[in-house]
Amino acid sequence: EAGVTQFPSHSVIEKGQTVTLRCDPISGHDNLYWYRRVMGKEIKFLLHFVKESKQDESGMPNNRFLAERTGGTYSTLKVQPAELEDSGVYFCASSQGSGMLAGLQETQYFGPGTRLLVL
Amino acid sequence: AQSVTQLGSHVSVSEGALVLLRCNYSSSVPPYLFWYVQYPNQGLQLLLKYTSAATLVKGINGFEAEFKKSETSFHLTKPSAHMSDAAEYFCAVSLGTALIFGKGTTLSVSS
Repeated sequence: EAGVTQFPSHSVIEKGQTVTLRCDPISGHDNLYWYRRVMGKEIKFLLHFVKESKQDESGMPNNRFLAERTGGTYSTLKVQPAELEDSGVYFCASSQGSGMLAGLQETQYFGPGTRLLVL
Repeated sequence: AQSVTQLGSHVSVSEGALVLLRCNYSSSVPPYLFWYVQYPNQGLQLLLKYTSAATLVKGINGFEAEFKKSETSFHLTKPSAHMSDAAEYFCAVSLGTALIFGKGTTLSVSS
């Protein structure tokens, strides 16, 4: 079974440009999460999809970030326009179940991350 | 509010020595706790998780962790380190469905 995949693995862009990150969750997983790790800091939650709906986007930094999940399958995270402080590693994760209690203790399976550098 | 503190950003051990990575949590409700590991150029992999079924949790690769409510701790241990254990380790607590991570501890293993 394929794991969570992310594309690209690395991206180097200039300030003001647009970048789109893609995540393909494990097949059949309804829950999809985005996290970010800025250098030297902890991994932080950005948002959570259940199927195609945004369940929680409380961690999104600002309106330069836009996440979508087309048809409840893959997800994209667009940063427009990118700023220097957006540099970091963006992780995607997915989990299978449904319901709040299941979600609390469910294992989230992480992708390898996209390393974004904004110059 | 839930939070996680990992004591020590870097831990160095010799091959064969005990590994102890410390994690303390703060939670207003019974927590669900996780340890993840990230090997170089790879994603995060679940080592083990505590879901209240048992206080001593055994994970993959010989790791285990003990949930101690009185100490609000969930330290990760392994009796004998291998070179292949060199990686970054993350403790996390579940908040709703989001995970709250500690800052990570890099484990170095020397021969």
